[in-house]
Amino acid sequence: DAKTTQPNSMESNEEEPVHLPCNHSTISGTDYIHWYRQLPSQGPEYVIHGLTSNVNNRMASLAIAEDRKSSTLILHRATLRDAAVYYCILSGTNFGNEKLTFGTGTRLTIIP
Amino acid sequence: DAGVTQSPTHLIKTRGQQVTLRCSPKSGHDTVSWYQQALGQGPQFIFQYYEEEERQRGNFPDRFSGHQFPNYSSELNVNALLLGDSALYLCASSLEFGGVGTEAFFGQGTRLTVV
Repeated sequence: DAKTTQPNSMESNEEEPVHLPCNHSTISGTDYIHWYRQLPSQGPEYVIHGLTSNVNNRMASLAIAEDRKSSTLILHRATLRDAAVYYCILSGTNFGNEKLTFGTGTRLTIIP
Repeated sequence: DAGVTQSPTHLIKTRGQQVTLRCSPKSGHDTVSWYQQALGQGPQFIFQYYEEEERQRGNFPDRFSGHQFPNYSSELNVNALLLGDSALYLCASSLEFGGVGTEAFFGQGTRLTVV
């Protein structure tokens, strides 16, 4: 499985945008980039995924570099509820039935 | 929609014992995957079940086994428990042919402590 590299931790102020980086220099042409997050005492939850183009949904935006070797998850206005561990994962499909290979993720702390 | 439900939420077992964890997938989902999450680590894939068959398996010993029932619910069994099996066990459900934009839904997990 192609690997991803994320910072161990980040802090951000409440109500400000947050940019969470992910490096995936060995990504293959068919790998999708998925983001999941895990709030304290809960299972992971899906955030967003993409292949080449930038993606937006109600939770976040995903900006993918032109060479696809990196991507950034953008939370437009962080709230305290966004404090979680964020995982960047590469998967060979855009289907949810593909096994997910989690790293250690980025622990995001939101400062009130 | 109740989402993915797992039982029990917490469990304490003794070394050498056997344990069974249960998972009911999100309504309409037909694929169930199990993950083990040690403290401070990301979840690690154990195996996946579809049509009552184990389809994919991660790097876990044969002490870990599972089952999927016709109603798509699933069980994870661990035999001869070791202290190192203490972890949060997560179940995720998904659709085999969900198409673009489908994602895995996770339960809240079962916290297993082996003493």
